[in-house]
Amino acid sequence: EPEVTQTPSHQVTQMGQEVILRCVPISNHLYFYWYRQILGQKVEFLVSFYNNEISEKSEIFDDQFSVERPDGSNFTLKIRSTKLEDSAMYFCASSGSEDSYNEQFFGPGTRLTVL
Amino acid sequence: AQRVTQPEKLLSVFKGAPVELKCNYSYSGSPELFWYVQYSRQRLQLLLRHISRESIKGFTADLNKGETSFHLKKPFAQEEDSAMYYCALNRQGAQKLVFGQGTRLTINP
Repeated sequence: EPEVTQTPSHQVTQMGQEVILRCVPISNHLYFYWYRQILGQKVEFLVSFYNNEISEKSEIFDDQFSVERPDGSNFTLKIRSTKLEDSAMYFCASSGSEDSYNEQFFGPGTRLTVL
Repeated sequence: AQRVTQPEKLLSVFKGAPVELKCNYSYSGSPELFWYVQYSRQRLQLLLRHISRESIKGFTADLNKGETSFHLKKPFAQEEDSAMYYCALNRQGAQKLVFGQGTRLTINP
């Protein structure tokens, strides 16, 4: 069964450094998402992406964040200058339809630790 | 703004006992509601959604618009049900899931 994959599984970085988190969505899916979960807190929506454009973003997704689909398979989340509070588990998800009742398929997550 | 509340962070029941995981939501429109589950060392996966009105792994959930609830129930818990359960809401026409804080369910033998 096809799955969403994410790399790396764990990323450690110094405050102020740029990081890129990578995701490979399910191949025939067209809608992509990033969520994050700070330890002990809720899973929070960051951004949704369709047709090479951001469809919706949360207030968390400020100018330090960007997303890109650089080729036909990868979907990346870039944090330009990491802060301590960016330490979290970052989940990528994809879905095959824009229908709001449609299932979103999640990747295993990347744990980002900012020192 | 939409909000999902799961009042229990931890829930522990014995095998064979009934289980109810509570979920309440706040949203003025018609919501799409989901239960996602995360088993140990696995990814988040959809358990069920209210639109399907189906039973998955013996679990059911009914949307109660009057009480703004979408509680997850199973009549007889099994050890393999131990996991983290997240209730989530999507507003119609959107693709942004709003999650509750999750309930860790432990089934004791």
